[in-house]
Amino acid sequence: DQQVKQNSPSLSVQEGRISILNCDYTNSMFDYFLWYKKYPAEGPTFLISISSIKDKNEDGRFTVFLNKSAKHLSLHIVPSQPGDSAVYFCAAKGVNDYKLSFGAGTTVTVRA
Amino acid sequence: EAGVAQSPRYKIIEKRQSVAFWCNPISGHATLYWYQQILGQGPKLLIQFQNNGVVDDSQLPKDRFSAERLKGVDSTLKIQPAKLEDSAVYLCASSPHGAAAEAFFGQGTRLTVV
Repeated sequence: DQQVKQNSPSLSVQEGRISILNCDYTNSMFDYFLWYKKYPAEGPTFLISISSIKDKNEDGRFTVFLNKSAKHLSLHIVPSQPGDSAVYFCAAKGVNDYKLSFGAGTTVTVRA
Repeated sequence: EAGVAQSPRYKIIEKRQSVAFWCNPISGHATLYWYQQILGQGPKLLIQFQNNGVVDDSQLPKDRFSAERLKGVDSTLKIQPAKLEDSAVYLCASSPHGAAAEAFFGQGTRLTVV
């Protein structure tokens, strides 16, 4: 039962443009959401997170938006850079729960 | 600060053989996780430890997989006997105590069962 879904397996974007990655979830008990970035042959690294009490969190070029009523979140990368080419995983956890549920990932390719 | 250490990085075994993976979490992190990532999928939690106690092993195939966390620090994950479908990257992660803490991942062990 996939509780976190990333329906776009890949995204190609021009350098300098915006990358928008989407994530949907089904479990209404999720209250904390994270994005991880993964390069080949490396483990995922934490990128940015958002609590369910917020609808936006910004960190430099990365902004995460949360729409609780739609059970949807998105990651915006502006401007996109070649080093952003990686697999991005959306993850979620429930109240007082340490367990992360991951989506299948979106592979981002930034074209020069 | 040292990250999560895992070994080996790569392992190739024949089906029905056994294999073990090792993980050293970040110092002081109470929570340790083992995830399985099959190609094209997101990581799936196999087992979660809080100190040296198991918190969640609901998705661990207990007929062939086992894991332990010695003295609440290092951990080993074992598969015996391995099947072809166990081919995956096995990721260890740790996090400090606290529900909002993000997990820090190791580089993973890529297992190929032939």
